[in-house]
Amino acid sequence: NAGVTQTPKFQVLKTGQSMTLQCAQDMNHNSMYWYRQDPGMGLRLIYYSASEGTTDKGEVPNGYNVSRLNKREFSLRLESAAPSQTSVYFCASSAIPNTGELFFGEGSRLTVL
Amino acid sequence: AQSVAQPEDQVNVAEGNPLTVKCTYSVSGNPYLFWYVQYPNRGLQFLLKYITGDNLVKGSYGFEAEFNKSQTSFHLKKPSALVSDSALYFCAVRDTNAGKSTFGDGTTLTVKP
Repeated sequence: NAGVTQTPKFQVLKTGQSMTLQCAQDMNHNSMYWYRQDPGMGLRLIYYSASEGTTDKGEVPNGYNVSRLNKREFSLRLESAAPSQTSVYFCASSAIPNTGELFFGEGSRLTVL
Repeated sequence: AQSVAQPEDQVNVAEGNPLTVKCTYSVSGNPYLFWYVQYPNRGLQFLLKYITGDNLVKGSYGFEAEFNKSQTSFHLKKPSALVSDSALYFCAVRDTNAGKSTFGDGTTLTVKP
């Protein structure tokens, strides 16, 4: 049971570089999310996709773009990385947008120098 | 806008004693409430949720939570704490009109032998 798989698990970037975080779920869930976790700040929603073909901004979307490639995959792109984007990124999915619990990946730790 | 407050950054209890981790929320509609646990260097794991019905919700690993509408609270409880319960706990809320969850800042639970 793979659940939610994120790649890469670790990445170091220089300021201005770009990268894409990949996320795939095998639970046939409709909704997918990207969060970032910073010490003492809980989880903050970056972008979400309530269903295939739709994406919406969350609380902290600036500096990020997303693509819902298909029902399984939801990628997060940093076009020009900044030190403020150093964080742990979590992808999550949910079967039902409102009442369904979130299933999380193991996280991607990104450091921007 | 919806919000969640976890007033305690840290909760310390002795093994075998009851534990409570506090959570209060604010939503415009009816709340859907969730508790998640995070172990070091792992993703979040779902513990329990309140959608409707009985105000006392039972979840994984012996945890339970009580929904109190008048106090807008959803405190996590366990009658007898284990050392293995030591982890970071997050409360989350969705309202009925939004598919996205808002998380509290988290409470670190430490259970000492």
